[in-house]
Amino acid sequence: SQKIEQNSEALNIQEGKTATLTCNYTNYSPAYLQWYRQDPGRGPVFLLLIRENEKEKRKERLKVTFDTTLKQSLFHITASQPADSATYLCALGGNTDKLIFGTGTRLQVFP
Amino acid sequence: DVKVTQSSRYLVKRTGEKVFLECVQDMDHENMFWYRQDPGLGLRLIYFSYDVKMKEKGDIPEGYSVSREKKERFSLILESASTNQTSMYLCASGLMAGYNEQFFGPGTRLTVL
Repeated sequence: SQKIEQNSEALNIQEGKTATLTCNYTNYSPAYLQWYRQDPGRGPVFLLLIRENEKEKRKERLKVTFDTTLKQSLFHITASQPADSATYLCALGGNTDKLIFGTGTRLQVFP
Repeated sequence: DVKVTQSSRYLVKRTGEKVFLECVQDMDHENMFWYRQDPGLGLRLIYFSYDVKMKEKGDIPEGYSVSREKKERFSLILESASTNQTSMYLCASGLMAGYNEQFFGPGTRLTVL
């Protein structure tokens, strides 16, 4: 069955550093991949989408890569800030409008 | 801005009660979704609707039903609540035709005693 893996352990980094979060998947060939941010007690908020034929996507301090050979996406936040502290979810999409979500990685940025 | 609202932020019900969770979106989206989110299990799709009166089972539909009588409103029904349905319930909406992000509501924290 399809499986998505994100680091279950929290990622703790210092303010100003680059945070890198990983999303690995198996038994699936997604047409696209999305990243969401979720704050405690709130619903996820969409950040970025990358398609299977795209290697990299950027938006302000965010960068996403997508390697369909490795079956992996990396999500980078450069010059991280304490306000970036949240849980980040990756989600895979195929030929339907349904998404398969990972369990998320909690990021904590310390001043 | 897209707005997805859910009828309650917190809800406490007793085992065996019938529970209605309502979701309303204001952006004329075709698709609406109900998920539950549990620690360590992530977001799991319960039901999905791509049009009025249309529904499709997700990964964990057992014990749930849904209703979509109007395009903007999607209801999740727990016919007879059980303690293992204690969870955070999240509604989302989105445009049809792929590649589109989903817009989530704030969630309903349901506790079944």
